[in-house]
Amino acid sequence: SAVISQKPSRDICQRGTSLTIQCQVDSQVTMMFWYRQQPGQSLTLIATANQGSEATYESGFVIDKFPISRPNLTFSTLTVSNMSPEDSSIYLCSVGAATPSEQYFGPGTRLTVT
Amino acid sequence: AQRVTQPEKLLSVFKGAPVELKCNYSYSGSPELFWYVQYSRQRLQLLLRHISRESIKGFTADLNKGETSFHLKKPFAQEEDSAMYYCAYPTYCSGTYKYIFGTGTRLKVLA
Repeated sequence: SAVISQKPSRDICQRGTSLTIQCQVDSQVTMMFWYRQQPGQSLTLIATANQGSEATYESGFVIDKFPISRPNLTFSTLTVSNMSPEDSSIYLCSVGAATPSEQYFGPGTRLTVT
Repeated sequence: AQRVTQPEKLLSVFKGAPVELKCNYSYSGSPELFWYVQYSRQRLQLLLRHISRESIKGFTADLNKGETSFHLKKPFAQEEDSAMYYCAYPTYCSGTYKYIFGTGTRLKVLA
């Protein structure tokens, strides 16, 4: 299993600003994933972060808005840039597995944009 | 496109009543499907996977290929079952599996 922590756990930000969310895993993992969980809605995959290469973004998400860093095998950051109230959401970090057994999730970062 | 559909956003049942959370899939080949649960103020976690045919916390889910469904069932709901439930399937990419989630169903078990 993997233990995942995220910082900050929550934040309230003004529109137009940016917030960087950190994700730390207690073991080395090949891929890390960032999800968004909007109020009352499903989890939506934002991007996949592979160490040493550019992140792969899902349809509807772009690097300028959600730049991602993956400096090593245990850490990743997601930045929510130029925020608007529509970005208010919970952002989840996750790691996958080499077998389709289980995906592990961080506790999430609750972002409110005013 | 491969996807899972959860038609109900909210399901309310009384304690002791049977529960069925619906999940339909659109998937070519043999699907591997999972149910994840998120209790209030807790992180998302795996509930059960179809391949193991297990019962977790009284919940079971059977893959019905004829109906392309993977409904989650429990004969007698408990208040502590109140949570958000997601049906999910894994996709494989570069040596790692990642999951695509359904829209989720919020289960409320009433006293």
